[in-house]
Amino acid sequence: AQTVTQSQPEMSVQEAETVTLSCTYDTSESDYYLFWYKQPPSRQMILVIRQEAYKQQNATENRFSVNFQKAAKSFSLKISDSQLGDAAMYFCAYRSAYGGSEKLVFGKGTKLTVNP
Amino acid sequence: NAGVTQTPKFRVLKTGQSMTLLCAQDMNHEYMYWYRQDPGMGLRLIHYSVGEGTTAKGEVPDGYNVSRLKKQNFLLGLESAAPSQTSVYFCASSYSPGVGDYGYTFGSGTRLTVV
Repeated sequence: AQTVTQSQPEMSVQEAETVTLSCTYDTSESDYYLFWYKQPPSRQMILVIRQEAYKQQNATENRFSVNFQKAAKSFSLKISDSQLGDAAMYFCAYRSAYGGSEKLVFGKGTKLTVNP
Repeated sequence: NAGVTQTPKFRVLKTGQSMTLLCAQDMNHEYMYWYRQDPGMGLRLIHYSVGEGTTAKGEVPDGYNVSRLKKQNFLLGLESAAPSQTSVYFCASSYSPGVGDYGYTFGSGTRLTVV
């Protein structure tokens, strides 16, 4: 079974600085998807960014980018120019691209604090 | 622009009481899921459904039942609530995995307290 590990329970960053959240995963599959979700205090789960494993190019969404290292099974999230609104729990998740494995597997999350 | 709607948003139950959480989606998604979120535990899958009339057990199914009689609805039932079921419950839905997979669309969660 696949597992997702987020080794940093909590992180903090100064406003306008850059922070990187770590995520590693364990799988024997070659085709899959990886996601980062944000959960602000409102509790709503929001998709931040996604990566398709067969694409070598790292995904980017505005200030959010990933460093996807397939061989190392690593999928870190970089937040540039951090803003107060980025304060949230961040969850890394894995989903197989093969039929019969329909569910997302989540890490335990990293709580990000943004200091003014 | 409803997406996934969960009701209720908050509920307090006494031990032994029963209740049903309703999840409704309007995106024609085949797959629907129920997760629970507890501090330090991340999101753990309770049950899921890959289509109307189907259900399957997830990681932590004990004490819960589900039904998917209509494609757009996925119900989570607690027959006899226990304090250990105090949690935040999330419903989610998605298309099948594959090209263009954008993961889940989540509901806004239900905070359940069992006293």
